[in-house]
Amino acid sequence: EPEVTQTPSHQVTQMGQEVILRCVPISNHLYFYWYRQILGQKVEFLVSFYNNEISEKSEIFDDQFSVERPDGSNFTLKIRSTKLEDSAMYFCASGGQGNTGELFFGEGSRLTVL
Amino acid sequence: AQSVTQLDSQVPVFEEAPVELRCNYSSSVSVYLFWYVQYPNQGLQLLLKYLSGSTLVKGINGFEAEFNKSQTSFHLRKPSVHISDTAEYFCAVSDPTGGGNKLTFGTGTQLKVEL
Repeated sequence: EPEVTQTPSHQVTQMGQEVILRCVPISNHLYFYWYRQILGQKVEFLVSFYNNEISEKSEIFDDQFSVERPDGSNFTLKIRSTKLEDSAMYFCASGGQGNTGELFFGEGSRLTVL
Repeated sequence: AQSVTQLDSQVPVFEEAPVELRCNYSSSVSVYLFWYVQYPNQGLQLLLKYLSGSTLVKGINGFEAEFNKSQTSFHLRKPSVHISDTAEYFCAVSDPTGGGNKLTFGTGTQLKVEL
């Protein structure tokens, strides 16, 4: 069964450092997403990506964040100059063509900022 | 804008007992509705979804949910829970008129099944 894979599973970084989280979505999917879950809180939408550009972003997704799909398979989230409050689990998700409603999630990348 | 409310942050229940996890939503448009489950240290897995048609939706692991438009609810039920059902359950909505499948999640309900 196809699945969304994410790397790394856990990353520890110092405040102010740059972090890149990687995702390989399901191969024939067209819509890609990043969500964030701070420990003990709900899953929050960060950004959606379609047709090689951002289709929607939340107020959380400020200039500190960027996404790209560099090679047609990977989908990355870059966090520049990390802050303590960026510590969270980051989930990548992908969805197929048309609005079938279902997103497929990866197992997440846990980011710890010290 | 859409929002989802899960009033119960934690629900303890004994094994083999029935359980209901509550979900209410608000939206100015019609919605798709979902329940996702998150087992410890894992990602989110789809339990079931309502897109259209029958308001009673059956999902995996014996779960079902009923869409009630007048009460704007989509409560999740299971007649007899098992220890392995212990997990975090998230209700979510999406806008069917949108081009993609962006989900808005509730705050989650921790289901703890005890012997």
